[in-house]
Amino acid sequence: NAGVTQTPKFRILKIGQSMTLQCTQDMNHNYMYWYRQDPGMGLKLIYYSVGAGITDKGEVPNGYNVSRSTTEDFPLRLELAAPSQTSVYFCASSYSDRYEQYFGPGTRLTVT
Amino acid sequence: GESVGLHLPTLSVQEGDNSIINCAYSNSASDYFIWYKQESGKGPQFIIDIRSNMDKRQGQRVTVLLNKTVKHLSLQIAATQPGDSAVYFCAENTNAGKSTFGDGTTLTVKP
Repeated sequence: NAGVTQTPKFRILKIGQSMTLQCTQDMNHNYMYWYRQDPGMGLKLIYYSVGAGITDKGEVPNGYNVSRSTTEDFPLRLELAAPSQTSVYFCASSYSDRYEQYFGPGTRLTVT
Repeated sequence: GESVGLHLPTLSVQEGDNSIINCAYSNSASDYFIWYKQESGKGPQFIIDIRSNMDKRQGQRVTVLLNKTVKHLSLQIAATQPGDSAVYFCAENTNAGKSTFGDGTTLTVKP
């Protein structure tokens, strides 16, 4: 099993551009999450999903959108990128909210 | 808002010593707690978890203690090794599928 995969690994965006961060898991997990991690800080939840077709906001959803059309995929869309969105983005999945999360390797995004 | 926090941002120990990393949580409704380890440039990795109906859980060289009275969680690492150097996060889960992470403690192991 590949676990949780994320693409791209690195990306530089100009202010106002848009992009989609891809996340795929092959563990048949229902729960999927997107976090951002700023330098020296913990993880902040952006969006999460408890199953295909169901998404909900986390702590810091502004400026982001998600969709969950399949169990495997949970893409994160950035519209009108801003410097404040410079961060490392992690996708994770879990069997349920009472089990551990498996994290992808992260996407390092810089907005200039 | 309610959050999970760490008492110390950094911890330095000698190789072979035991390490204790602490975590305070404020949501009394949290019933599932997890410790993660994050090495530089990587995503967090599960270490050990504990549910609120337990006070202690042991793994290989790691022990998690939960004190619900004072809302305190700790991670003990026995015989700390250089490979244990990383950032350690505690996370708490309530219902509705969300985890709240603390800011992390950086553990440095001196040879």
